[in-house]
Amino acid sequence: AQTIHQWPVAEIKAVGSPLSLGCTIKGKSSPNLYWYWQATGGTLQQLFYSITVGQVESVVQLNLSASRPKDDQFILSTEKLLLSHSGFYLCAWSNRGRSAETLYFGSGTRLTVL
Amino acid sequence: QQQVRQSSQSLTVWEGETAILNCSYENSAFDYFPWYQQFPGEGPALLIAIRSVSDKKEDGRFTIFFNKREKNLSLHIKDSQPGDSATYFCAASASSGSWQLIFGSGTQLTVMP
Repeated sequence: AQTIHQWPVAEIKAVGSPLSLGCTIKGKSSPNLYWYWQATGGTLQQLFYSITVGQVESVVQLNLSASRPKDDQFILSTEKLLLSHSGFYLCAWSNRGRSAETLYFGSGTRLTVL
Repeated sequence: QQQVRQSSQSLTVWEGETAILNCSYENSAFDYFPWYQQFPGEGPALLIAIRSVSDKKEDGRFTIFFNKREKNLSLHIKDSQPGDSATYFCAASASSGSWQLIFGSGTQLTVMP
């Protein structure tokens, strides 16, 4: 069975500090990977997707970057946090294919920027 | 511009009633429509999905009704239970090489015992 693990579970960071969030998928070869952001009580906004190692596409510009250093790992980062970065960050995977269909989400990272 | 709209931010029903959650979309290229269920503090989980070639999809107490001409769909939850209280997101994607799954703003469902 496939499992998706996100770390950390929660972070409290200062404005201007760096951030690194991670996601690992086990039991699935060459998945499509995604990062989503969710404001409290809000919708899910897709940030990035990756269909292969080393390739990441940005969907919206939020002063964040993403990387896929390994087939099963997806990293979200920034060098300088803004207050607007607060929210719930979700990593997801889907089967390798031509489109985003069924996404399987991790349990998320709650980020608070003060 | 909201590509996927959910008309109700919240909905309250009594236990045993049928909850109806509505969704509409703008992009005619969308052909896959999943509904996700999310509990507080958790990631969303796929509940049920439909492709645009169908007008109805049923799975247990959950049914999607789809109207391609009107570009809208609805999720019916029959015999609602308090454990169904959650936020439900309608989403849409286009199968022609798009890696974007676009979500609506969500409907928070409360089922009163």
